[in-house]
Amino acid sequence: AQSVAQPEDQVNVAEGNPLTVKCTYSVSGNPYLFWYVQYPNRGLQFLLKYITGDNLVKGSYGFEAEFNKSQTSFHLKKPSALVSDSALYFCAVDDNTGKLIFGQGTTLQVKP
Amino acid sequence: EAGVTQSPTHLIKTRGQQATLRCSPISGHTSVYWYQQALGLGLQFLLWYDEGEERNRGNFPPRFSGRQFPNYSSELNVNALELEDSALYLCASSLYGGTTSGELFFGEGSRLTVL
Repeated sequence: AQSVAQPEDQVNVAEGNPLTVKCTYSVSGNPYLFWYVQYPNRGLQFLLKYITGDNLVKGSYGFEAEFNKSQTSFHLKKPSALVSDSALYFCAVDDNTGKLIFGQGTTLQVKP
Repeated sequence: EAGVTQSPTHLIKTRGQQATLRCSPISGHTSVYWYQQALGLGLQFLLWYDEGEERNRGNFPPRFSGRQFPNYSSELNVNALELEDSALYLCASSLYGGTTSGELFFGEGSRLTVL
């Protein structure tokens, strides 16, 4: 079965430092991978997706993600974190039945 | 362009009652998805409708049901409410059927509280 795992419940980083939010996946066939962000009491917002092509995917708000097939990972990154990046981040994979399977989410806390 | 809209924003019910949640997709989107976000459980897939048909269903009991109307709006019904049904119910729409071709656009959710 298709699945994603986010091994960290929370990531803490100082403003201005680089951030990484980890995601690993398990799929049969080609993976279609996504990152979403959820601010408090809001719905999810799309950040970026990997379908095919370059392993480094650029998305909204300066975020990017690196697809690594050998490590079955799709980590979310940003070179310089902002306090306003503090939110709940979800990794997701298309499960080949037309829906997305989401990870448990990682809370990102950026301190000034 | 209006995004995905959900109503009501908040709903309080008691055990055994029924709840109805509504969703209007982005104009032109034919697929509607429902997810449950319960505390500590992440997002759990409930239902997927496309072109008025139920295309996929998550691992939820039959008291969770829904439908999609000709204008592509959708309704989620939860019968015989239980305390553990308390959650944020998120609706999402996509332009194409399925998710491999594009991302989901989410509404802000309906918070259901069961007392």
